[in-house]
Order: sequence, then structure tokens, then C-alpha cells
Amino acid sequence: TQLLEQSPQFLSIQEGENLTVYCNSSSVFSSLQWYRQEPGEGPVLLVTVVTGGEVKKLKRLTFQFGDARKDSSLHITAAQPGDTGLYLCAGARTGANNLFFGTGTRLTVIP
Amino acid sequence: EAGVAQSPRYKIIEKRQSVAFWCNPISGHATLYWYQQILGQGPKLLIQFQNNGVVDDSQLPKDRFSAERLKGVDSTLKIQPAKLEDSAVYLCASSGGVNTRVYGYTFGSGTRLTVV
Repeated sequence: TQLLEQSPQFLSIQEGENLTVYCNSSSVFSSLQWYRQEPGEGPVLLVTVVTGGEVKKLKRLTFQFGDARKDSSLHITAAQPGDTGLYLCAGARTGANNLFFGTGTRLTVIP
Repeated sequence: EAGVAQSPRYKIIEKRQSVAFWCNPISGHATLYWYQQILGQGPKLLIQFQNNGVVDDSQLPKDRFSAERLKGVDSTLKIQPAKLEDSAVYLCASSGGVNTRVYGYTFGSGTRLTVV
């Protein structure tokens, strides 16, 4: 059973456009993290959200944790080719010191 | 600080052969994880160590996969015998311990295994 579903699975946009990636679950998580993975490399942590309703901004990236701590979104403003990569959400379940990863969203930003 | 080191970067083997992967975590990180990432999917946890003890190996196919972390530092993951469906990237990650839910993991670059 896949606990974290991401949508869309693939996204190809032009440079300068905005986009939103969604991460949804029926389970509650104590925290949710977003990672970006480039080809041939391991995922790199972008942000952690802990509180329901929390919003964090990282330059052109805005992350939101759902009020019920079951879902999250990542919004990118004015996408750039350097944003290209596989975006992964990962949830920490209460009492577990490990992360469950989502299905991933592969983003391509065309110059 | 040095990152998580993994070797080899690539490995091609025939089915039914054995293979081993090595990981050296960030110095001082007590917790070490092995994940399997099949092409186009998110990473799936195989095993979690806290120092040299196993915390979670519920998703490790124990009939063919084994892992150890002697002395609580380096770790090896072995597959014997390999199957075609084991073709994937094997990622090692480490964390400082109990605050994984806040500080997350540091991943290595992974080992890409192809079973033919």
C-alpha cells in the first residue's frame, strides 16, 4: 500500500511558468519533508514542515503542510532550468525514526 | 564535513550471482538507512540501523538480502542470489539520530545495480 501519492507524476513546463506539486496521504505524519534528486545523485533535503497549516518559503519555492498533517504542496514561482529534477515528499510517522517516501514528481523546465 | 560515501557507483551482474554494496556514513551519525529506488519510483526503506543494531528490517527480503553494520560505522548490503527485479539504485543515508523527523537524512550518491 502506497501511503504517499504525488501528483502530477511528470511535469514539463517553460521557463518562467509557475507550478504546484501535491503530496497526499490518508495517514497523519508528524512531519513532512521535501527532497530534490538529480540524475545520478541521492535526494537532497529542501525543507521540513512540522506544524499543521505551516507555510515555509525558500526563495521561489513555497511549501505548505495541510491542517490535518496528511498532505502537502510545493509551489514554484517563475521556474528555471535549474529547478529540473525529481521532487520527493517524505513523511515521518509518529514513533518511527525513519521516512516514508512518496511516488515522486519528475519536473522538466525547458529554457 | 564529508558526505555519505557509497561504492561501487555502478554494478552489472547476471541473475543468480551475488553482489555487495558498501556505505560509510557521516562521522558521528548513529542512524544508517538502506533504501531501494526502482526507476521512476520513490525510495523504499530496506533496513535501518541504530549504531550496530537493527531497528527496522520489516521490508527487507531476508531470503536474499542481508545487511550488517559492524562497529556501528560502515555498513554493507548484500544480495544473494540476485533477481532481475533487484535492478535499482541502492541508496544509503545517515542521520544524527532522534531528530530525523526535523533534520532529515543525508544521502549518498547511490549504487546503480543492473541484473541481466
